[in-house]
Amino acid sequence: EADIYQTPRYLVIGTGKKITLECSQTMGHDKMYWYQQDPGMELHLIHYSYGVNSTEKGDLSSESTVSRIRTEHFPLTLESARPSHTSQYLCASSEYERGGADTQYFGPGTRLTVL
Amino acid sequence: SQQGEEDPQALSIQEGENATMNCSYKTSINNLQWYRQNSGRGLVHLILIRSNEREKHSGRLRVTLDTSKKSSSLLITASRAADTASYFCATERTGANSKLTFGKGITLSVRP
Repeated sequence: EADIYQTPRYLVIGTGKKITLECSQTMGHDKMYWYQQDPGMELHLIHYSYGVNSTEKGDLSSESTVSRIRTEHFPLTLESARPSHTSQYLCASSEYERGGADTQYFGPGTRLTVL
Repeated sequence: SQQGEEDPQALSIQEGENATMNCSYKTSINNLQWYRQNSGRGLVHLILIRSNEREKHSGRLRVTLDTSKKSSSLLITASRAADTASYFCATERTGANSKLTFGKGITLSVRP
């Protein structure tokens, strides 16, 4: 089991609410990622960070925002949730292995439902 | 367009049989990785093969890579019911600070 944690595991909220999905890792990894995954479908990278104070948007446009103030913590925020945000959100972290391979360690995910 | 595409999309086999899953990709890569996802959980890294390698083994897993065909296969031998999961291939493209690109995944069901 990887030392990467996500809370909450499940969240059901109403439209318009502000939410923050938490992700933390104790492995000291510099790189962290957020993916969005709909049931039975591929992962879409929505945000990533290569270190403290570094954040970038991923391949899939997302209305969410992220911050990276501490190495171990990479929260994702939705200012105003909508039903289209209903999905599973996966957090991951990695560090380069010798030879440059990027092996990622995933948290258990947060299943978000917006009513 | 996707970098990695797995084939088949779903596979159902009997316990004890071998499971073969394929992945094709489009651009040059540094390495290709296979991940497993149990229902409702995060992904777990299984095995990595670098672009200069042709075959790797890890326990009951065997992965091959053919860079000329831009394809990889994952073989699980002597499958068990506990192998039931979704399997994803992910490619790390060549270039600085490249990120992993995941395919859509293969759903494997192993019947007891």
